[in-house]
Amino acid sequence: GESVGLHLPTLSVQEGDNSIINCAYSNSASDYFIWYKQESGKGPQFIIDIRSNMDKRQGQRVTVLLNKTVKHLSLQIAATQPGDSAVYFCAETTGNQFYFGTGTSLTVIP
Amino acid sequence: DVKVTQSSRYLVKRTGEKVFLECVQDMDHENMFWYRQDPGLGLRLIYFSYDVKMKEKGDIPEGYSVSREKKERFSLILESASTNQTSMYLCASSNEFLGRGTQYFGPGTRLTVL
Repeated sequence: GESVGLHLPTLSVQEGDNSIINCAYSNSASDYFIWYKQESGKGPQFIIDIRSNMDKRQGQRVTVLLNKTVKHLSLQIAATQPGDSAVYFCAETTGNQFYFGTGTSLTVIP
Repeated sequence: DVKVTQSSRYLVKRTGEKVFLECVQDMDHENMFWYRQDPGLGLRLIYFSYDVKMKEKGDIPEGYSVSREKKERFSLILESASTNQTSMYLCASSNEFLGRGTQYFGPGTRLTVL
């Protein structure tokens, strides 16, 4: 069956450091991936997406890397700020099916 | 900005009650979704709708029904609430079908069934 998992349920980083949040997926046919951020008391918010024909995509302070060989997705946040503290979800889409991971909780230490 | 609103932030209901959760979006999106979010299980899709009066089951539709009479409004109904339906419920809308684009989420309704 499908599984979208994260390597670590929690991650703590010092303010100003870079953060890397990982996600593994099981279906090699998945062709579209999204990262969402969910702050406490709010619904998830889109951060960045990537299609399977790409290996890397950059946004403002965020980069998503896709390694299709090992079915691995990562979100890199540069110069992590206190406002980045949240739960981060990856989501994968395969045809008409899509799945969310369980999330990684990022805590930024001032 | 896209806005998705949910009728309540917190609800407490008793077992057996009929529960209505309302969701409204203001971006004229075709697609709307209802999820529940539980610790360790992530977001699970209950139902979605791709047009007025159209609905499709998601991964966990049992015990739920939905209604979409107007494009901007998507309601989730618990016909007879049970304690295992205690959860956070999230509504989302999108102009893309089935996860192929950004979904815009509401703030969630935390439902407790006693």
